[in-house]
Amino acid sequence: EVQLVESGGGLVKPGGSLRLSCAASGFTFSSYRMNWVRQAPGKGLEWVSSISSTSSYIYYADSVKGRFTISRDNAKNSLYLQMNSLRAEDTAVYYCARDLGGTSWFDHWGQGTLVTVSS
Amino acid sequence: SYELTQPPSVSVSPGQTASITCSGDKLGDKYACWYQQKPGQSPVLVIYEDSKRPSGIPERFSGSNSGNTATLTISGTQAMDEADYYCQAWDSSTPGFGGGTKLTVL
Repeated sequence: EVQLVESGGGLVKPGGSLRLSCAASGFTFSSYRMNWVRQAPGKGLEWVSSISSTSSYIYYADSVKGRFTISRDNAKNSLYLQMNSLRAEDTAVYYCARDLGGTSWFDHWGQGTLVTVSS
Repeated sequence: SYELTQPPSVSVSPGQTASITCSGDKLGDKYACWYQQKPGQSPVLVIYEDSKRPSGIPERFSGSNSGNTATLTISGTQAMDEADYYCQAWDSSTPGFGGGTKLTVL
């Protein structure tokens, strides 16, 4: 069974940092592109970042570029998101999701982890 | 980023057909997919590559995509289909999501 389990969320002050993790199991992690998608309270889905299966291609939404860093460890079946210089508008549930690359679809999502940026 | 536009809400009576649209520039030249999200839950893929259904998704869910508009159609809508629905497509190596449509079954 495919499983994606996020962790690392919590309450952080504006300007602070947080590192999210996504533990994958039940599939060949190294064969999939991985993504972070967030959802602010009561709002829609917003793509945050993608990383290709071998980490060769990395993309960020303009809203997080220069502040967030995506990475992965295929040996540990894990995806990460380092979030620096956090702002109130970064408050959201952060989901990890997998896809096969190209123009494919997000076929499995984690349960999400809540990040709250507040003083 | 690629902008996709959805109506904020759609209402349908049980047993009737619901249609949710998603508009974007030359969307018909790309593949569209659709996600269902119920309150407090993660999104679930219901349609990919415009019209294909993942395993486990009921046949009442169907999709189409042409011109600038993709459409999710739910035939014989059931109460359990009440949820938020999001379209998504890729453009220039990054994905865009529609703003979401709240489907109310009443």
